[in-house]
Amino acid sequence: RKEVEQDPGPFNVPEGATVAFNCTYSNSASQSFFWYRQDCRKEPKLLMSVYSSGNEDGRFTAQLNRASQYISLLIRDSKLSDSATYLCVVNGGGSYIPTFGRGTSLIVHP
Amino acid sequence: NAGVTQTPKFRVLKTGQSMTLLCAQDMNHEYMYWYRQDPGMGLRLIHYSVGEGTTAKGEVPDGYNVSRLKKQNFLLGLESAAPSQTSVYFCASSYAGTQQFFGPGTRLTVL
Repeated sequence: RKEVEQDPGPFNVPEGATVAFNCTYSNSASQSFFWYRQDCRKEPKLLMSVYSSGNEDGRFTAQLNRASQYISLLIRDSKLSDSATYLCVVNGGGSYIPTFGRGTSLIVHP
Repeated sequence: NAGVTQTPKFRVLKTGQSMTLLCAQDMNHEYMYWYRQDPGMGLRLIHYSVGEGTTAKGEVPDGYNVSRLKKQNFLLGLESAAPSQTSVYFCASSYAGTQQFFGPGTRLTVL
Protein backbone atom coordinates (compact mmCIF):
# COMPACT_ATOMS: atom_id res chain seq x y z
CA ARG A 1 0.00 0.00 0.00
CA LYS A 2 1.35 3.43 -0.95
CA GLU A 3 2.00 5.78 1.94
CA VAL A 4 -0.03 8.58 0.40
CA GLU A 5 -2.73 7.79 -2.14
CA GLN A 6 -4.72 10.06 -4.40
CA ASP A 7 -7.19 9.47 -7.20
CA PRO A 8 -5.22 10.61 -10.29
CA GLY A 9 -8.40 11.74 -12.10
CA PRO A 10 -8.71 13.67 -14.27
CA PHE A 11 -11.64 15.45 -12.72
CA ASN A 12 -13.33 17.27 -15.57
CA VAL A 13 -15.75 19.94 -14.29
CA PRO A 14 -17.51 23.02 -15.69
CA GLU A 15 -16.76 26.52 -14.49
CA GLY A 16 -18.62 27.30 -11.30
CA ALA A 17 -18.75 23.72 -10.10
CA THR A 18 -17.70 22.50 -6.70
CA VAL A 19 -15.15 19.70 -6.68
CA ALA A 20 -13.56 17.72 -3.88
CA PHE A 21 -10.42 15.62 -3.71
CA ASN A 22 -9.43 13.14 -1.03
CA CYS A 23 -6.04 11.86 -0.06
CA THR A 24 -5.39 8.93 2.28
CA TYR A 25 -2.22 8.32 4.24
CA SER A 26 -0.95 5.20 5.97
CA ASN A 27 1.28 6.54 8.76
CA SER A 28 -0.92 7.33 11.73
CA ALA A 29 1.93 9.28 13.37
CA SER A 30 1.98 11.86 10.56
CA GLN A 31 2.01 15.37 11.91
CA SER A 32 1.70 17.95 9.14
CA PHE A 33 -0.29 18.01 5.96
CA PHE A 34 -0.30 20.18 2.89
CA TRP A 35 -1.90 20.66 -0.50
CA TYR A 36 0.32 21.83 -3.32
CA ARG A 37 -0.66 22.93 -6.79
CA GLN A 38 1.43 22.09 -9.84
CA ASP A 39 0.82 23.63 -13.23
CA CYS A 40 2.00 21.82 -16.34
CA ARG A 41 5.80 21.73 -16.54
CA LYS A 42 6.15 24.03 -13.54
CA GLU A 43 7.31 23.52 -9.99
CA PRO A 44 4.85 22.63 -7.21
CA LYS A 45 3.72 25.53 -5.07
CA LEU A 46 2.02 25.48 -1.70
CA LEU A 47 -1.72 25.92 -1.96
CA MET A 48 -2.51 25.57 1.71
CA SER A 49 -1.53 23.80 4.87
CA VAL A 50 -4.13 21.56 6.48
CA TYR A 51 -4.91 22.07 10.13
CA SER A 52 -6.68 19.73 12.53
CA SER A 53 -9.66 22.04 12.85
CA GLY A 54 -9.96 22.51 9.11
CA ASN A 55 -9.15 25.73 7.32
CA GLU A 56 -10.43 27.87 4.52
CA ASP A 57 -8.75 30.22 2.09
CA GLY A 58 -11.21 31.93 -0.19
CA ARG A 59 -12.79 29.28 -2.41
CA PHE A 60 -10.59 26.53 -0.99
CA THR A 61 -11.33 24.46 2.11
CA ALA A 62 -9.05 21.80 3.56
CA GLN A 63 -10.04 19.21 6.12
CA LEU A 64 -8.13 16.62 8.11
CA ASN A 65 -9.67 13.43 9.47
CA ARG A 66 -7.09 11.76 11.69
CA ALA A 67 -9.33 8.86 12.69
CA SER A 68 -9.81 7.78 9.08
CA GLN A 69 -6.39 9.06 7.99
CA TYR A 70 -7.39 11.24 5.12
CA ILE A 71 -7.26 14.87 4.10
CA SER A 72 -9.56 16.60 1.67
CA LEU A 73 -9.58 19.66 -0.52
CA LEU A 74 -12.80 21.35 -1.59
CA ILE A 75 -12.82 23.92 -4.37
CA ARG A 76 -15.96 26.01 -4.76
CA ASP A 77 -16.96 28.07 -7.80
CA SER A 78 -14.22 26.52 -9.98
CA LYS A 79 -12.37 28.83 -12.36
CA LEU A 80 -10.59 27.95 -15.58
CA SER A 81 -7.38 28.97 -13.82
CA ASP A 82 -7.89 26.21 -11.23
CA SER A 83 -6.93 23.65 -13.88
CA ALA A 84 -3.79 22.01 -12.51
CA THR A 85 -2.56 18.97 -10.64
CA TYR A 86 -3.14 18.99 -6.88
CA LEU A 87 -0.57 17.20 -4.76
CA CYS A 88 -1.22 15.90 -1.28
CA VAL A 89 1.79 15.97 1.04
CA VAL A 90 2.14 14.29 4.42
CA ASN A 91 4.98 14.93 6.82
CA GLY A 92 6.21 13.60 10.13
CA GLY A 93 5.71 10.32 11.86
CA GLY A 94 9.34 9.86 12.82
CA SER A 95 10.78 11.75 9.90
CA TYR A 96 10.51 15.30 8.64
CA ILE A 97 10.86 14.07 5.07
CA PRO A 98 7.62 14.80 3.21
CA THR A 99 5.78 12.09 1.33
CA PHE A 100 3.98 13.16 -1.82
CA GLY A 101 0.93 11.65 -3.41
CA ARG A 102 1.00 11.27 -7.18
CA GLY A 103 -1.45 14.10 -7.63
CA THR A 104 -5.00 14.62 -8.83
CA SER A 105 -5.54 16.30 -12.17
CA LEU A 106 -8.31 18.90 -12.40
CA ILE A 107 -9.58 20.27 -15.69
CA VAL A 108 -12.08 23.11 -15.52
CA HIS A 109 -13.86 23.76 -18.83
CA PRO A 110 -16.06 26.66 -19.97
CA ASN B 1 15.33 37.19 -2.03
CA ALA B 2 15.63 34.68 -4.90
CA GLY B 3 14.17 31.68 -3.04
CA VAL B 4 15.35 28.43 -4.63
CA THR B 5 17.30 28.57 -7.87
CA GLN B 6 18.49 25.75 -10.10
CA THR B 7 21.11 25.67 -12.81
CA PRO B 8 21.02 24.77 -15.59
CA LYS B 9 17.38 25.02 -16.73
CA PHE B 10 17.87 22.67 -19.69
CA ARG B 11 20.55 20.18 -20.62
CA VAL B 12 21.07 17.50 -23.24
CA LEU B 13 23.63 14.79 -22.53
CA LYS B 14 24.89 11.78 -24.37
CA THR B 15 24.85 8.39 -22.67
CA GLY B 16 27.86 8.05 -20.42
CA GLN B 17 28.50 11.76 -19.93
CA SER B 18 28.55 13.28 -16.49
CA MET B 19 27.07 16.48 -15.16
CA THR B 20 26.24 18.34 -11.97
CA LEU B 21 23.00 20.13 -11.19
CA LEU B 22 23.24 23.01 -8.75
CA CYS B 23 20.55 24.06 -6.32
CA ALA B 24 20.87 27.19 -4.20
CA GLN B 25 18.56 28.63 -1.55
CA ASP B 26 18.74 31.88 0.37
CA MET B 27 16.18 31.14 3.09
CA ASN B 28 18.60 29.54 5.58
CA HIS B 29 16.72 26.25 5.36
CA GLU B 30 18.26 23.21 6.99
CA TYR B 31 16.55 20.65 4.75
CA MET B 32 17.17 20.32 1.02
CA TYR B 33 15.87 17.73 -1.42
CA TRP B 34 16.30 16.50 -4.97
CA TYR B 35 13.33 14.99 -6.81
CA ARG B 36 12.72 13.69 -10.28
CA GLN B 37 9.37 13.79 -12.03
CA ASP B 38 8.50 11.70 -15.04
CA PRO B 39 5.34 11.93 -17.19
CA GLY B 40 2.36 10.49 -15.35
CA MET B 41 4.43 9.96 -12.23
CA GLY B 42 4.55 11.86 -9.03
CA LEU B 43 7.61 13.40 -7.48
CA ARG B 44 10.17 10.80 -6.47
CA LEU B 45 12.81 11.65 -3.89
CA ILE B 46 16.36 10.98 -5.04
CA HIS B 47 18.46 12.26 -2.12
CA TYR B 48 18.00 14.71 0.66
CA SER B 49 20.00 16.57 3.27
CA VAL B 50 19.05 17.62 6.79
CA GLY B 51 22.00 19.94 7.25
CA GLU B 52 25.35 21.06 5.97
CA GLY B 53 27.68 18.13 5.46
CA THR B 54 24.94 15.48 5.68
CA THR B 55 23.14 13.60 2.92
CA ALA B 56 20.82 10.61 2.78
CA LYS B 57 19.25 8.38 0.15
CA GLY B 58 15.68 8.78 -0.90
CA GLU B 59 13.41 6.52 -2.91
CA VAL B 60 15.41 6.38 -6.17
CA PRO B 61 19.10 7.14 -5.41
CA ASP B 62 20.82 4.77 -7.85
CA GLY B 63 22.94 6.51 -10.47
CA TYR B 64 23.07 9.79 -8.54
CA ASN B 65 25.36 11.34 -5.97
CA VAL B 66 24.93 14.49 -3.92
CA SER B 67 26.94 16.87 -1.80
CA ARG B 68 26.04 19.61 0.68
CA LEU B 69 29.29 21.37 1.44
CA LYS B 70 27.57 24.68 2.16
CA LYS B 71 24.21 25.13 3.82
CA GLN B 72 22.79 27.09 0.92
CA ASN B 73 23.86 24.70 -1.85
CA PHE B 74 22.88 21.14 -2.73
CA LEU B 75 24.53 19.52 -5.73
CA LEU B 76 23.21 16.53 -7.66
CA GLY B 77 25.68 14.59 -9.77
CA LEU B 78 25.18 12.10 -12.55
CA GLU B 79 28.43 10.20 -13.03
CA SER B 80 27.47 8.26 -16.16
CA ALA B 81 24.18 9.42 -17.60
CA ALA B 82 21.68 6.89 -18.94
CA PRO B 83 18.54 7.44 -21.06
CA SER B 84 16.49 6.32 -18.04
CA GLN B 85 17.65 9.49 -16.29
CA THR B 86 15.81 11.68 -18.78
CA SER B 87 13.48 13.59 -16.53
CA VAL B 88 12.61 16.89 -14.91
CA TYR B 89 14.61 17.45 -11.75
CA PHE B 90 13.30 19.64 -8.96
CA CYS B 91 15.19 20.87 -5.96
CA ALA B 92 13.39 21.99 -2.81
CA SER B 93 14.24 23.34 0.61
CA SER B 94 12.43 23.71 3.91
CA TYR B 95 12.65 23.94 7.65
CA ALA B 96 11.89 20.63 9.36
CA GLY B 97 8.23 19.69 9.01
CA THR B 98 7.20 22.84 7.19
CA GLN B 99 6.26 23.71 3.64
CA GLN B 100 8.78 23.13 0.92
CA PHE B 101 9.90 25.75 -1.57
CA PHE B 102 10.76 24.40 -5.00
CA GLY B 103 13.12 25.58 -7.67
CA PRO B 104 11.91 25.98 -11.27
CA GLY B 105 13.31 22.64 -12.38
CA THR B 106 15.97 21.31 -14.74
CA ARG B 107 14.85 19.51 -17.87
CA LEU B 108 17.42 16.85 -18.69
CA THR B 109 17.47 14.72 -21.81
CA VAL B 110 19.94 11.85 -22.14
CA LEU B 111 20.39 10.57 -25.68
